[in-house]
Amino acid sequence: GEDVEQSLFLSVREGDSSVINCTYTDSSSTYLYWYKQEPGAGLQLLTYIFSNMDMKQDQRLTVLLNKKDKHLSLRIADTQTGDSAIYFCAEKLQNTDKLIFGTGTRLQVFP
Amino acid sequence: GAGVSQTPSNKVTEKGKYVELRCDPISGHTALYWYRQSLGQGPEFLIYFQGTGAADDSGLPNDRFFAVRPEGSVSTLKIQRTERGDSAVYLCASSSGTGAGNTIYFGEGSWLTVV
Repeated sequence: GEDVEQSLFLSVREGDSSVINCTYTDSSSTYLYWYKQEPGAGLQLLTYIFSNMDMKQDQRLTVLLNKKDKHLSLRIADTQTGDSAIYFCAEKLQNTDKLIFGTGTRLQVFP
Repeated sequence: GAGVSQTPSNKVTEKGKYVELRCDPISGHTALYWYRQSLGQGPEFLIYFQGTGAADDSGLPNDRFFAVRPEGSVSTLKIQRTERGDSAVYLCASSSGTGAGNTIYFGEGSWLTVV
């Protein structure tokens, strides 16, 4: 079945690294995505990773994928107050064009 | 347009009424998606169009929900006999293709409240 799970809340100090975790159940996922949602705003695509990769780095963002454990993580280096938002992971299944989203992790950055 | 545009941004309606939500995708984007996001939840897939046709409508919850895209650009999500449980943010998204590497751009959503 299709199920994507995330922890609900993460609080970090400004300047520290944040790690947001996600687990998924469907092994046929082809791509996995991280989206950011700020209050009252739409979803912003941050990055994505192909299922045959295990790591992708994009400036302050590092995505790690453990396909065996079906575990995805997003690391934000040098977290800033502007990073405060809800972060969603999403998977795209094989032979489909729809995304299955997790419930989102609310990241709060304090000074 | 510059981004995905959705109207209205907010809609309050009475239970039992009919509602239409409109989506203007990014110009030239052939793929268009509707998602629904309830409070405290992630977006849930409703329907996906490739051009004018609905390629996948498996997420529509029941026959009160219907969506069209008659000219392959603007789409309208239609909800009949609204119920309080339909209250949510309805998100529209578009992309230039369906390959996994094609970025899906989301609009800011239409907040629907059924009272």
